Amino acid sequence: GAVVSQHPSRVICKSGTSVKIECRSLDFQATTMFWYRQFPKQSLMLMATSNEGSKATYEQGVEKDKFLINHASLTLSTLTVTSAHPEDSSFYICSARRQGRNTEAFFGQGTRLTVV
Amino acid sequence: AQSVTQPDIHITVSEGASLELRCNYSYGATPYLFWYVQSPGQGLQLLLKYFSGDTLVQGIKGFEAEFKRSQSSFNLRKPSVHWSDAAEYYCAVGPSRAGSYQLTFGKGTKLSVIP
Repeated sequence: GAVVSQHPSRVICKSGTSVKIECRSLDFQATTMFWYRQFPKQSLMLMATSNEGSKATYEQGVEKDKFLINHASLTLSTLTVTSAHPEDSSFYICSARRQGRNTEAFFGQGTRLTVV
Repeated sequence: AQSVTQPDIHITVSEGASLELRCNYSYGATPYLFWYVQSPGQGLQLLLKYFSGDTLVQGIKGFEAEFKRSQSSFNLRKPSVHWSDAAEYYCAVGPSRAGSYQLTFGKGTKLSVIP
């Protein structure tokens, strides 16, 4: 299967600072990337969908100004958590889908964010 | 709106025993169906998928799933479980919106394996 790399795998930051998480498709071009958030012992909650070269589409209840998503190339999408607070601590997972019909999404390894 | 139900929160089986994880979905048309596995602190790995065609789908690691339209189910099976299969399993249906290719996930089933 295709490889999606997410970096960093773990990050600890202070309240009020910003954190950037990268999601890269290593061996395919990802026209669409998805960002999820997962709380402990919970399922994945879709935060936003990004298409290369266009603005991300955010799910209801997700703050656009807090969770900045950039999908500048066909292999890279970034999620920036701005002015992080302890309640933003969570496991963030990206997935990427290649162009075409009937293609599945591949997931990154996830990023554990802890805001102290 | 589409939804996915995984009725079993936690299942424990003995190593070597057979396994069936249940998944029921609600969807307005013919869905795309997926099973993913997640180890602690890791991302999701695709086990298998159904888009169309043969309703019995073979996946990796010896897993298979059967799409039953009449029952709106897509249960995951494995004839003999290995200790390394202990993980969280998620069933997903898509697309959430036409042309969006977003997935809706179930709440997951945790599988424990007794040596």
